[in-house]
Amino acid sequence: DSGVTQTPKHLITATGQRVTLRCSPRSGDLSVYWYQQSLDQGLQFLIQYYNGEERAKGNILERFSAQQFPDLHSELNLSSLELGDSALYFCASSPGGRLAGGGETQYFGPGTRLLVL
Amino acid sequence: GNSVTQMEGPVTLSEEAFLTINCTYTATGYPSLFWYVQYPGEGLQLLLKATKADDKGSNKGFEATYRKETTSFHLEKGSVQVSDSAVYFCALTHQGAQKLVFGQGTRLTINP
Repeated sequence: DSGVTQTPKHLITATGQRVTLRCSPRSGDLSVYWYQQSLDQGLQFLIQYYNGEERAKGNILERFSAQQFPDLHSELNLSSLELGDSALYFCASSPGGRLAGGGETQYFGPGTRLLVL
Repeated sequence: GNSVTQMEGPVTLSEEAFLTINCTYTATGYPSLFWYVQYPGEGLQLLLKATKADDKGSNKGFEATYRKETTSFHLEKGSVQVSDSAVYFCALTHQGAQKLVFGQGTRLTINP
């Protein structure tokens, strides 16, 4: 058990809909990351938050948005869903914001499996 | 840009066989290198890491050495077990950034 929790575990929805994925980081971790795992794209970084502020952005679509709340939990919002958004979405957390170097271990949650029909 | 290339899978071995999964990277400067493992139905777990050249990461009998001259971080284990069956991901973080850049993953199956 990594200490990172994600809800829901599974989500089935229809094209055009909007969903919210939730992540609670390990106790004391200030950074939260979102990754998408799909068969064709592999594991891709979406976005990082550190202590409530956006720190880095990856291949995140404009239809997707995220935020980190004062209690440090994070939500990933996916809207106008398309079939191609079906994937496993992982949240990870790490202690926080070293500006130099990148050797911090990230701890991954179990993921939310999204199926868009 | 930064990238990671892993050997093509899937890999199937018999129990107690020697394992090597190749990983090479492209990055400027001095990235940190990681191996993560994903067991069926679970999230990713850190297996080992190395943060500077010539460092060796090791855990649960697995080892990998950060080789800057060959830009490689190959994963090895001397004697695999059925319980090692999983998908293995090589990854890097670049200096000044914390996002992980992953290879495509290698599915390993160990037969008894």
